[in-house]
Amino acid sequence: GQQVMQIPQYQHVQEGEDFTTYCNSSTTLSNIQWYKQRPGGHPVFLIQLVKSGEVKKQKRLTFQFGEAKKNSSLHITATQTTDVGTYFCAGPSSFTGGGNKLTFGTGTQLKVEL
Amino acid sequence: DAEITQSPRHKITETGRQVTLACHQTWNHNNMFWYRQDLGHGLRLIHYSYGVHDTNKGEVSDGYSVSRSNTEDLPLTLESAASSQTSVYFCASSVGLAREQYFGPGTRLTVT
Repeated sequence: GQQVMQIPQYQHVQEGEDFTTYCNSSTTLSNIQWYKQRPGGHPVFLIQLVKSGEVKKQKRLTFQFGEAKKNSSLHITATQTTDVGTYFCAGPSSFTGGGNKLTFGTGTQLKVEL
Repeated sequence: DAEITQSPRHKITETGRQVTLACHQTWNHNNMFWYRQDLGHGLRLIHYSYGVHDTNKGEVSDGYSVSRSNTEDLPLTLESAASSQTSVYFCASSVGLAREQYFGPGTRLTVT
């Protein structure tokens, strides 16, 4: 079945430093989605990318979808304590019975120290 | 505002008992999902539903069942709770299978 891996698993940064998490799928994706989960909270949808090579920005967050549509990245510029949480990528899979259900990546936990 | 709710938020039960976790959404979404989240495993799909009277197994469905009698609700039942089912359970819904999902606040289940 489809696998979606993320690296790194954990990242500690000093406030103001940049942060990047990478997402790699074993299969081509029709789209890639990113979610953020605050400690003790639930995943919250951030953005969806659809086109090959697409780049989208949300304030200090930059999302990129690879040319081959098998990988993606999330870059945060000048991290703040409000960025703390776990970031998940997710892409449609063809797990059991077909269909395009999302397969979630393993997540990257970000901690920001003052 | 539309929302998705889960109850209870916390539950402690004993091994062997039947437990039902509730999920209710007012988005009017056809697609609903149940996930479990454990350290080191991310979000794993338990069951999902495309619509009323439709249910499907996910990657970790053993020991769980769901039923969909209306658009709003997808209760998750643990037939005979096991300690391995101690986890945080999230319900989610979406307008399309490959579209963004809206998650409930989660239920923390402890099986002793």
